[in-house]
Amino acid sequence: EVQLVESGGDLVQPGGSVRLSCATSGFPFSSYAMNWVRQAPGKRLEWVSEIGGRDGSTNYADSVKGRYTISRDNSKNTVSLEMNSLRADDTAIYYCAKDRYTGRPGRVFDYWGQGTLVAVSS
Amino acid sequence: SSELTQPVSVSVALGQTANISCDGDNIRSTNVHWYQKKPGQAPVLVIFRDKYRPSGIPERFSGSNSGKTATLTIARAQAGDEADYYCQVGDITTFCVFGGGTKVTVL
Repeated sequence: EVQLVESGGDLVQPGGSVRLSCATSGFPFSSYAMNWVRQAPGKRLEWVSEIGGRDGSTNYADSVKGRYTISRDNSKNTVSLEMNSLRADDTAIYYCAKDRYTGRPGRVFDYWGQGTLVAVSS
Repeated sequence: SSELTQPVSVSVALGQTANISCDGDNIRSTNVHWYQKKPGQAPVLVIFRDKYRPSGIPERFSGSNSGKTATLTIARAQAGDEADYYCQVGDITTFCVFGGGTKVTVL
């Protein structure tokens, strides 16, 4: 059974940092791209970042580029998101999502975690 | 870059059919995927590549893509289908775009 479990969400002051992690199991982790998607209160889903399976290539939404860093540890089947210079509009539930296809990112997300809340407020 | 427009809300009588549209300029030339999102729960992929259902998704869910509009159809709507539904495409410049979401109410 595929499982994705996020952790690390917190209440953070503006300008602060937080690191999210997603522990996975039940599939050959290194073969799949992994993503972070967020949903701010009352807003649409918003894709945040992706990281390729074996090559580890990364992409980011313009709204987080230069502030967020995605990484993965294929030996531990985990993907992380380092979030810096946080702003109020970064407040959201952050979901870890697995790509459906192996190899290059297909940008179809077939399994999701339950999410972790990041709240940015003074 | 892609922009996807969905109706804010759709209402459907119990047992009837709901159609949810997703409009975009380049939508016919790309693959559209659909997610169901219930409050407090993770999103669930219900249709991928316009019309394919993942295992475990009821046949009542179907998809199509023609012209400038992709459509998610929910046949024989049930109370448990009440949720927000999002269309999504992969984009070469912005990588991934979600529509604004449609709230489906089953009356």
